[in-house]
Amino acid sequence: AQSVTQLDSQVPVFEEAPVELRCNYSSSVSVYLFWYVQYPNQGLQLLLKYLSGSTLVESINGFEAEFNKSQTSFHLRKPSVHISDTAEYFCARGNGGFKTIFGAGTRLFVKA
Amino acid sequence: GAGVSQSPRYKVAKRGQDVALRCDPISGHVSLFWYQQALGQGPEFLTYFQNEAQLDKSGLPSDRFFAERPEGSVSTLKIQRTQQEDSAVYLCASSLDRSSATDTQYFGPGTRLTVL
Repeated sequence: AQSVTQLDSQVPVFEEAPVELRCNYSSSVSVYLFWYVQYPNQGLQLLLKYLSGSTLVESINGFEAEFNKSQTSFHLRKPSVHISDTAEYFCARGNGGFKTIFGAGTRLFVKA
Repeated sequence: GAGVSQSPRYKVAKRGQDVALRCDPISGHVSLFWYQQALGQGPEFLTYFQNEAQLDKSGLPSDRFFAERPEGSVSTLKIQRTQQEDSAVYLCASSLDRSSATDTQYFGPGTRLTVL
């Protein structure tokens, strides 16, 4: 069965430090990968997505993720985090059908 | 413009009661999804509509769960004879096109259902 694994349930980090949130997916012929963010008391929002082409994708607020086919990973990174980045981050995949499969989420705590 | 809205935001039901959860997608969005999110977990797919047609209901956990979108806009998720294991946040999402899993999904705030 297709799956998405987020290796860390919680990641505490100090403000202005770099962060990496890890995501691995089960291999498939075609795969579409997403990162969603859920800020406190808000709905999920798309952060970035990989459909095809360049393996490095970026969001408007400084996050980036790299599609690594050989390692079946799609880790999310940011070189310098802000307090406002505190949220829960979900990695997800689609296979071109109707279903999107989500990981269990990683809660990012940014400390002053 | 208005995003996806869901009502009620919170629902407490006694075991055995029926509940109905409403989703108002973004106007003009063709695709509509329902997800169930248990505490500490990611959303799990329940069902998918393309306009009024329910094209995938493989994620509905039992025949107590029923969803409809009769006019291709508002959708209702109904749970009959609720059980404690139905306690979760129910999320609705919509997307503009038929391409579904590759298209950006816009999520509502969710309905938190607690079954006592």
